[in-house]
Amino acid sequence: GAGVSQTPSNKVTEKGKYVELRCDPISGHTALYWYRQSLGQGPEFLIYFQGTGAADDSGLPNDRFFAVRPEGSVSTLKIQRTERGDSAVYLCASSHTGAGGLFRGTDTQYFGPGTRLTVL
Amino acid sequence: AQKVTQAQTEISVVEKEDVTLDCVYETRDTTYYLFWYKQPPSGELVFLIRRNSFDEQNEISGRYSWNFQKSTSSFNFTITASQVVDSAVYFCALSDVDTGNQFYFGTGTSLTVIP
Repeated sequence: GAGVSQTPSNKVTEKGKYVELRCDPISGHTALYWYRQSLGQGPEFLIYFQGTGAADDSGLPNDRFFAVRPEGSVSTLKIQRTERGDSAVYLCASSHTGAGGLFRGTDTQYFGPGTRLTVL
Repeated sequence: AQKVTQAQTEISVVEKEDVTLDCVYETRDTTYYLFWYKQPPSGELVFLIRRNSFDEQNEISGRYSWNFQKSTSSFNFTITASQVVDSAVYFCALSDVDTGNQFYFGTGTSLTVIP
């Protein structure tokens, strides 16, 4: 079946501009995650959705970052007033159920190919 | 606090050699999960294995094997008879009851298999 897809694969923008990054999770997965990966580092958690709601946004670095998942499927990560330090690969992942109940944090997360964001 | 350490930044081996990638983790929880992912040059993280803290049995899958030792908080990954296609960055990750939703990743080990 289809995996997690992300668009665009590459995005180049100028400092101060607004960008939107899209993630389409695996069909039937209720949990969706955004991570940011800087060069030479492992992915760092940004936000987690269970269904339509952001269940954990503790990883968002500041209020310029926002994400939505209005229908519980596709998610959009939005970055306002981009800065050069926002340049990174933004990864999206989905899992079948995510956290909750007896099996918090147990589900395997399946990752998309990422969007490479470059802020000039 | 949760932490994953992959001390080996880069490793190079000649094809057909065995190689072990180290992973050491820290968590205060007794219930936790450990993962390994492979990130080839294409960039996509590929899931390899998930292990829970109550199962210390070592696992083998083809040329891949994993050694989980709670006594040393390690979850090492061995590739037997390495191949050029194994060249990638490998990440170890931790998820526990406290953090729940998010995975904590190590900084990765870049493996190059030389033909």
